[in-house]
Amino acid sequence: DQQVKQNSPSLSVQEGRISILNCDYTNSMFDYFLWYKKYPAEGPTFLISISSIKDKNEDGRFTVFLNKSAKHLSLHIVPSQPGDSAVYFCAALRDDKIIFGKGTRLHILP
Amino acid sequence: GAVVSQHPSWVICKSGTSVKIECRSLDFQATTMFWYRQFPKQSLMLMATSNEGSKATYEQGVEKDKFLINHASLTLSTLTVTSAHPEDSSFYICSATSTALNTEAFFGQGTRLTVV
Repeated sequence: DQQVKQNSPSLSVQEGRISILNCDYTNSMFDYFLWYKKYPAEGPTFLISISSIKDKNEDGRFTVFLNKSAKHLSLHIVPSQPGDSAVYFCAALRDDKIIFGKGTRLHILP
Repeated sequence: GAVVSQHPSWVICKSGTSVKIECRSLDFQATTMFWYRQFPKQSLMLMATSNEGSKATYEQGVEKDKFLINHASLTLSTLTVTSAHPEDSSFYICSATSTALNTEAFFGQGTRLTVV
């Protein structure tokens, strides 16, 4: 049973536009939600997180929105840049257990 | 999709003993494996990167003599916590990738280590 789902395996966005990556979860007991970014041949690196008591967290070009009633979160990247092309993993945290989604590959088009 | 199996899922050991955690790629050849450690309510911390057949590259602040990583085959990497202490208690998770899979990375289920 997948508790964290990223239903879009890939996404293509024009440079300069907004990239929106989506993630759904099933367990309402998660404390934190995190986004990781992964470049080829590198390990995933932490990008941004949000506590379950908040609905928005912003860090530069990256904003994460949390909709608890819908059990949905999204990562917005504005404006999208070529260096943003990577695989993005959504993860949910409860106590000391972390569960990852399968990832969404983002392509930023010139 | 590709599967990464991590074993054991949880382990309890006494202080001073060593514990080995295995990370296996079940249906693909993992040219690179990553080991992470997660502290409560914090993000994952990358400990080391290992490529098959070569020595692991450790992140700054990670003791390579304490956290021994072996990646002897394309399907298996092991993390051995030597002379474990209570402060080593944590959640350890591996991630595996392959040049054939481009940017795909697959995570193991994680191992909860408790040192008493």
